Amino acid sequence: SQQGEEDPQALSIQEGENATMNCSYKTSINNLQWYRQNSGRGLVHLILIRSNEREKHSGRLRVTLDTSKKSSSLLITASRAADTASYFCAPSGGGADGLTFGKGTHLIIQP
Amino acid sequence: KAGVTQTPRYLIKTRGQQVTLSCSPISGHRSVSWYQQTPGQGLQFLFEYFSETQRNKGNFPGRFSGRQFSNSRSEMNVSTLELGDSALYLCASGTTFPGNYGYTFGSGTRLTVV
Repeated sequence: SQQGEEDPQALSIQEGENATMNCSYKTSINNLQWYRQNSGRGLVHLILIRSNEREKHSGRLRVTLDTSKKSSSLLITASRAADTASYFCAPSGGGADGLTFGKGTHLIIQP
Repeated sequence: KAGVTQTPRYLIKTRGQQVTLSCSPISGHRSVSWYQQTPGQGLQFLFEYFSETQRNKGNFPGRFSGRQFSNSRSEMNVSTLELGDSALYLCASGTTFPGNYGYTFGSGTRLTVV
């Protein structure tokens, strides 16, 4: 498995604004997954986008994937205080491929 | 359905001791992965078990070991504990090919070595 690199490392925005974070990776993938981790807790699977998909939505989340640039972005619209968390991307080769995580983007939503 | 259950939630051990952590995956999931999370190193993959066999392994010393039982429950063991082993240990369960569908994580076991 390969590691994704999230950018920025930290992001602080006002409640109600949109938050965008990016992920870059190095080699071809089967899919790319995004996870959220609230402080000191386990990771929560948010969304999985396959290599043949360009955009995917889930509630207030929008994920894009550009395989030519080997990058993905996660957009959270109308942010809420409960969105404060660390967000990790995980590029996956699929199958039995495990996940390798980067340092994540630490998102803080200011009330 | 029940989520991934990790026990215990918190643990304090002394240097040199050994510790066993437990993970019960989601019913029907046969893949169990273990991760170590520390402020300095972030999330690091330890190993993955599928049908009682270690299928993938990270870059950790032999003091870290694991096993999986026929009911898919998994345990990981750390022997001769060091201060640097203090971390949040996360377990993740998945289907036969979890790389295709994603993983479900437990809430973790917070291990403190003193």
